[in-house]
Amino acid sequence: QVQLQESGPGLVKPSETLSLTCTVSGVSITGHYVSWIRQPPGKGLEWIGYMYYSGGSANYNPSLKSRVTISVDRSQNQFFLNLYSVTAADTAVYYCARDSGSSGYFPGYWGQGILVTVSS
Amino acid sequence: QSVLTQPPSASGTPGQRVPISCSGGISNIGGNYVYWYQQVPGTAPKLLIYNNSQRPSGVPDRFSGSKSGTSASLAISGLRSEDEADYYCAAWDDSLSTVVFGGGTKLTVL
Repeated sequence: QVQLQESGPGLVKPSETLSLTCTVSGVSITGHYVSWIRQPPGKGLEWIGYMYYSGGSANYNPSLKSRVTISVDRSQNQFFLNLYSVTAADTAVYYCARDSGSSGYFPGYWGQGILVTVSS
Repeated sequence: QSVLTQPPSASGTPGQRVPISCSGGISNIGGNYVYWYQQVPGTAPKLLIYNNSQRPSGVPDRFSGSKSGTSASLAISGLRSEDEADYYCAAWDDSLSTVVFGGGTKLTVL
C-alpha cells in the first residue's frame, strides 16, 4: 500500500523557516519525481515545486523560488521542504506527492496533508 | 487569479452527464498535457486524468478528459452522489516555467 506522510511543526513564527518531511512507504521514490503542493484554507491548489529523486531536475514556482528548497534522501525514501522567511500568507495545508509512474512529474500519489499555521 | 480558468461551480442530478471546462492559453493547455484532480472536502486530491485523456488504474470510465486547442474538459457521466467534490485542472506553463492549476470547480450532486 502506497503511503506518503507529511510531518513537521504545525505552527511556525513569522520570518522563521517552515520545514517539512515526507516519508514514503510501499513504493520507492527511486526513478520518480517528488513534489510539494499547498492549499490555503478555503482556497485552491498552489504548486510549490518538484525534484527528480536523484536531486537533479528541480523546478520551483517562480513566486516562491527565492524562498524554497526541496531536497531528497533516497536512502530513507524521504524528501523535504524548506520555506524560508514565512509570513501569514504561507498558512496552508501542505501536501507531498510522487508521480504515478505515468504522469510525468505531476502528482499521482499524495500524502494526507499537514496544516501549517504561521503566527506569532 | 488563476492562469487556468474554471467555472467556480457545476451541478447535476444522479445519472446525468456533467462537463467541467478548463480554459488556458498557448503556453499551457495549447502546448502541453492537461491533468485533472478530484478533491473530496477534507481529503487530499486524487489524480483522475493524465495526458489529456488517460485514466489511472482504478478510476472509473465514467470520467473522461479531452482537449481542443487551448481548452480542456472533464466529463463525468452517470453522475453519482460520491462524485460531489472539487475538481482541478493542471498543466505545465512554458512562459511561467512552472505547473499551473485552475481555480477549481465545486461539483454539487442535486
